[in-house]
Amino acid sequence: KNQVEQSPQSLIILEGKNCTLQCNYTVSPFSNLRWYKQDTGRGPVSLTIMTFSENTKSNGRYTATLDADTKQSSLHITASQLSDSASYICVVSAGDSNYQLIWGAGTKLIIKP
Amino acid sequence: GAGVSQSPSNKVTEKGKDVELRCDPISGHTALYWYRQRLGQGLEFLIYFQGNSAPDKSGLPSDRFSAERTGESVSTLTIQRTQQEDSAVYLCASSLVWGLTGELFFGEGSRLTVL
Repeated sequence: KNQVEQSPQSLIILEGKNCTLQCNYTVSPFSNLRWYKQDTGRGPVSLTIMTFSENTKSNGRYTATLDADTKQSSLHITASQLSDSASYICVVSAGDSNYQLIWGAGTKLIIKP
Repeated sequence: GAGVSQSPSNKVTEKGKDVELRCDPISGHTALYWYRQRLGQGLEFLIYFQGNSAPDKSGLPSDRFSAERTGESVSTLTIQRTQQEDSAVYLCASSLVWGLTGELFFGEGSRLTVL
């Protein structure tokens, strides 16, 4: 069964600190992996899209990594800001169904001053 | 407009009433998705439209739910005889590129409360 699991479920860190969010998936065949940021009461916004051949991708203070062999991805946030408080969702696209996206439940990140 | 537009942003209705939610995708986007998100939960796929192809309705939870889209334009999601468990945020997303790497752009959602 295609699944995406994220950890931790929630995380609280102090402003300025770094953090890493994890995503494990059992989706086959793998097509691509996406990270989205969802602010409370808003729609998700794309942070990165990574294909099979990409190991690392950065978007400002966000860096995503992908290990297609172990089927793991991480999202690293550097020098956190209060505006980083949000849910971060990992989404995997299955290659045999081009539009079907398998959504993780998300990690709720809270940045405290 | 520049982004995906959804209306209404908030809807409160009584159990048993019908509701209609609207999504205006980004102009030129051929793919359109509807998702449901219950409070504190992840996104649940409802339906997918791609151009003039037959939609994938596999995520619709019951026959009370239906959705329409004319070509590559506006889509409406209709919930008949609403139940309290239908209370959720309904999110619409559109994508320019059909298939593997098309980035999804989401609207702000329609928050439905069924009393």
